[in-house]
Amino acid sequence: QSALTQPRSVSGSPGQSVTISCTGTSSDVGDYDYVSWYQQHPGKAPKVIIYDVTKRPSGVPDRFSGSKSGSTASLTISGLQAEDEADYYCCSYAGIYTFVFGTGTKLTVL
Amino acid sequence: EVQMVESGGGLVQPGGSLRLSCAASGFTFSSYLMHWVRQDPEKGLVWVSRINNDGSIKTYADSVKGRFTISRDNAKNTLYLQMNSLRADDTAVYYCGRDFNYKIDVWGKGTTVTVSS
Repeated sequence: QSALTQPRSVSGSPGQSVTISCTGTSSDVGDYDYVSWYQQHPGKAPKVIIYDVTKRPSGVPDRFSGSKSGSTASLTISGLQAEDEADYYCCSYAGIYTFVFGTGTKLTVL
Repeated sequence: EVQMVESGGGLVQPGGSLRLSCAASGFTFSSYLMHWVRQDPEKGLVWVSRINNDGSIKTYADSVKGRFTISRDNAKNTLYLQMNSLRADDTAVYYCGRDFNYKIDVWGKGTTVTVSS
C-alpha cells in the first residue's frame, strides 16, 4: 500500500495548460480503471473532479480531463484560472476493497 | 442537503483510544459504502478504511490494521471509527466519505485527532 507518486508542485500562467502525473503499479493504477482525482483548497474538504480515469462529475468544467497509460494516470487542466490554484490528489482502487491516494501536488497559478 | 458531520476528535495520549463518529443526512445512508480518510501535513490524504453498506465487509490500510475498527449503524445513519493503541503518527484530520462507484463523492468537513503526551 505505497502511496501513488505525484510531483510535489506544478505551476502555470492563466490560460496555459498543466498536467499532473500519478504513478502507481500494476496492482493499482495499472490494473483498474478506477482512478479518481480530487481538488482541495486550503482549509476545505477534497472535491472529486475526475473519476473512472476520464469522467467528470456534473458541474466540473471540461477544462479538467483525465487519462491513463499503463501504471500512470494524468490530470490535465487547460485554460488555467486563478481559482484552480489548489492541491490535487489522485486515488486508485488497489484491489480487495482497498484504495491508495497519491502524494499530492500543489498547483500554483502564476 | 447531502452532508456528513464528523465528531469525536481531540487530544489523546499515545496508547490511548478514541471513537470517531460521522453523522450522515440527506441521503439513504444504508445504500452506500463509506470510507475514512485522514490527512496530515506531511503525507497528504491517506486512505484508512472502507465498509460496505451492510457492514459485512471491512477493509483497512496496513498502517491501522489491528488497531482501528470501522463500523456503522444504519438505523442511526452513523459511521464510526474506533481507534485503539494510538500513535503520534496517527495525528491527522479524519474525514468520512461516501463511496459512489469507487469514488468518494461526498466528504465531511473532518475532525482533528492529536496524539501527544
